[in-house]
Amino acid sequence: EVQLVESGGGLVQPGGSLRLSCAASGFIFSNYNMNWVRQAPGKGLEWVSYISTRSSTIYYVDSVKGRFTISRDNAKNSLFLQLNSLTDEDTAVYYCARDAEWQEGDYHYYGMDVWGQGTTVTVSS
Amino acid sequence: EILLTQSPGTLSLSPGEGATLSCRASQIFSSTYLAWYQQKPGQAPRLLIYGASNRATDIPDRFSGSGSGTDFTLTISRLEPEDFAVYYCQRYGSSPPWTFGQGTKVEIK
Repeated sequence: EVQLVESGGGLVQPGGSLRLSCAASGFIFSNYNMNWVRQAPGKGLEWVSYISTRSSTIYYVDSVKGRFTISRDNAKNSLFLQLNSLTDEDTAVYYCARDAEWQEGDYHYYGMDVWGQGTTVTVSS
Repeated sequence: EILLTQSPGTLSLSPGEGATLSCRASQIFSSTYLAWYQQKPGQAPRLLIYGASNRATDIPDRFSGSGSGTDFTLTISRLEPEDFAVYYCQRYGSSPPWTFGQGTKVEIK
């Protein structure tokens, strides 16, 4: 079964740090680009960060640049997100999601086809 | 940054009725980068549609997507009880940031 399982969330004080993990199974992890997406309580989805298969390409949403760091360990089938200098605006459920690409002729299509169940980060004093 | 605006915010319908959800972009982009997701309370999102009109694996054919340019539509032909959820569109696969729309809630009338 293809599966992503996040862990590492918890309660942290403003200015604190957390490291989120995402364990992949049921597919060849090293073949897939990966993402982190978050959802604040009662709000919509926000894409946070992306990492390519060999970590050569990394992107962040502007609101987390300089504070969050995405990484991966293909040997351990794991994705990570280091969260530093946390504020209450970072309170959210954090999902890892697999990048999917389809090709039909000359057309390439994209989406996030596998999601974990999420891990909750609460920033509060 | 390309913004996506979904309408309506909430759709109140009965099982068996059809639903039409709109996603409008602030700039033109290729439909190959438009995806739709379904999210039920307490669950992770699920990919429904990629490339604006292609159903993902195991998605029933009552779900269909269309559109191009700045206007995209998700249509649910006949609502089943399990279809009442929040639906998000997303631009994904071109240059980041990869924004989501704010969501449309389809609720039971």
